[in-house]
Amino acid sequence: QSALTQPASVSGSPGQSITISCTGTSSDVGGYNYVSWYQQHPGKAPKLMIYDVSNRPSGVSNRFSGSKSGNTASLTISGLQAEDEADYYCSSYTSSSTDVVFGGGTKLTVL
Amino acid sequence: EVQLVESGGGLVQPGGSLKLSCAASGFTFSGSAMHWVRQASGKGLEWVGRIRSKANSYATAYAASVKGRFTISRDDSKNTAYLQMNSLKTEDTAVYYCTRRRMVTYYMDVWGKGTTVTVSS
Repeated sequence: QSALTQPASVSGSPGQSITISCTGTSSDVGGYNYVSWYQQHPGKAPKLMIYDVSNRPSGVSNRFSGSKSGNTASLTISGLQAEDEADYYCSSYTSSSTDVVFGGGTKLTVL
Repeated sequence: EVQLVESGGGLVQPGGSLKLSCAASGFTFSGSAMHWVRQASGKGLEWVGRIRSKANSYATAYAASVKGRFTISRDDSKNTAYLQMNSLKTEDTAVYYCTRRRMVTYYMDVWGKGTTVTVSS
């Protein structure tokens, strides 16, 4: 069982917006602004899409945005494109000895 | 180009050992913490452990599932991190990724392509 809870799947049509949630506790998501999001296409390594809740690395489309409220972080993808179809993972710093926790992942399907 | 390249994966019997390597290039390796993350086939990402930089005393931490069996080390002179895996179990079968976390950051911005470890008799 993953430390952070994500929906198993979400879907949307091209051009639409979708939001993926990531729920943790006050020891991780709620306690720190250190949530990051990763995109993973089949057979590929994860790619950083959002860091520190809402910051985008250079080169990541501004269609990707992040936010947080309480113990839940969210990733929003606007103007869905076929290439966005992938698995998405949230991660957070945690005050536990493990230092890092991941969500279980969400499969995004672009209809 | 900033790059991480894992090697050393393969087939090993339950109870056996394997040592993975992660060769870094294109950045100041000695200043970064190095993490290992694994992914079983069809499953999600699982954090395995990390080693911090010399400035942070090369401190290590491990997931409960591997603690006592896996050891992370690094050789800054070779820009390489290692994952020594002992007492391997079938449930350790996965793709193993190494990834970088720079000092004073809390995200992994560079990932290797992964190396596959299969534990089977």
